[in-house]
Amino acid sequence: NAGVTQTPKFQVLKTGQSMTLQCAQDMNHNSMYWYRQDPGMGLRLIYYSASEGTTDKGEVPNGYNVSRLNKREFSLRLESAAPSQTSVYFCASSPREGVQPQHFGDGTRLSIL
Amino acid sequence: DQQVKQNSPSLSVQEGRISILNCDYTNSMFDYFLWYKKYPAEGPTFLISISSIKDKNEDGRFTVFLNKSAKHLSLHIVPSQPGDSAVYFCAATSRTYKYIFGTGTRLKVLA
Repeated sequence: NAGVTQTPKFQVLKTGQSMTLQCAQDMNHNSMYWYRQDPGMGLRLIYYSASEGTTDKGEVPNGYNVSRLNKREFSLRLESAAPSQTSVYFCASSPREGVQPQHFGDGTRLSIL
Repeated sequence: DQQVKQNSPSLSVQEGRISILNCDYTNSMFDYFLWYKKYPAEGPTFLISISSIKDKNEDGRFTVFLNKSAKHLSLHIVPSQPGDSAVYFCAATSRTYKYIFGTGTRLKVLA
């Protein structure tokens, strides 16, 4: 029972490089989410996908793009990485959007130099 | 504009005693609240939730209390165990996709 799997676990990039963070869930959930966690800031929603084929912006979408590849997979892309995007990124899923707990992956620790 | 606040960054409690973690919110539209627990190098895991139609919800050693008039919720852990040492996040939503998370409280349970 893998739940939510994120790859890679760690990555170091140079400013301006591009990168795609991968996320897959095996719980047949409809909704998927990307968050970033920064010291003293809690978890902030970047993008979410309520269901396969739809994506919407969260609180902090600038500098990111997402793709809901299929029901299982939701990727996050940094087209031109900036030091301000150094963070821990968490993917989550829930059976559907709304009043339901989310299941989180173990995170991707991204450093941008 | 922080809509969900956890004003205590850290808390230390003796094993066997009660741990009380607090969370305040400002948005009166929030009607569902959750607590997550996070160990280092892992993702948050769901612990317990409460709907705004209730003022208390229990699950084993964990109880969440909601005071809507004060816009305050708290998580009680009784008795506290060393394995409870983690960072605890509260989150709130108004039945949309948007969960707003607090900044977390690091609980340390001393053996």
